[in-house]
Amino acid sequence: DVKVTQSSRYLVKRTGEKVFLECVQDMDHENMFWYRQDPGLGLRLIYFSYDVKMKEKGDIPEGYSVSREKKERFSLILESASTNQTSMYLCASSPDGNSPLHFGNGTRLTVT
Amino acid sequence: QKEVEQNSGPLSVPEGAIASLNCTYSDRGSQSFFWYRQYSGKSPELIMSIYSNGDKEDGRFTAQLNKASQYVSLLIRDSQPSDSATYLCASLGNTGKLIFGQGTTLQVKP
Repeated sequence: DVKVTQSSRYLVKRTGEKVFLECVQDMDHENMFWYRQDPGLGLRLIYFSYDVKMKEKGDIPEGYSVSREKKERFSLILESASTNQTSMYLCASSPDGNSPLHFGNGTRLTVT
Repeated sequence: QKEVEQNSGPLSVPEGAIASLNCTYSDRGSQSFFWYRQYSGKSPELIMSIYSNGDKEDGRFTAQLNKASQYVSLLIRDSQPSDSATYLCASLGNTGKLIFGQGTTLQVKP
């Protein structure tokens, strides 16, 4: 089975802090994704990557950046956390552009 | 903006009944469709994939695809209280990005 591991299940940070959310997958998948999920807004794509050192903006990239130095690891960075970034963050991976996504367990981030 | 539309519900069915969840999509170029189940506070879990017109069955689940009508559905037979969750429909179009619907909340009453 595909395993997508997010480093933290719950995280509390202060406004203005730099926040790193880490995601690792163990199936040699090419594609990795970061979403956030908020009540009433559904899943929204923040960034995605089709290859090492490659990144593409999703629908809501403002306030975020990403890093993919190794194939298995995709990091989401909040440069200066704000309260409106309080959300559930979901990492996902897929082997190619025609396959479904496999999600990690999610990180519930609270910014105070 | 390519969209996937679902009725948010809640859809309430008695235990043992058939639950029918529906989804429409706007991108005619979409080729692949997926149903995810999401329990409260958990991440989405893939339960069905469908790529061609017609029905695809897996246990108590049947996915149906009609590309001419741009319509996807999920039937859950013999619904159980443990099926109570939010069901997300997703389509994969030519952009390579998966587009999710808002989800339908299903409640199965004992």
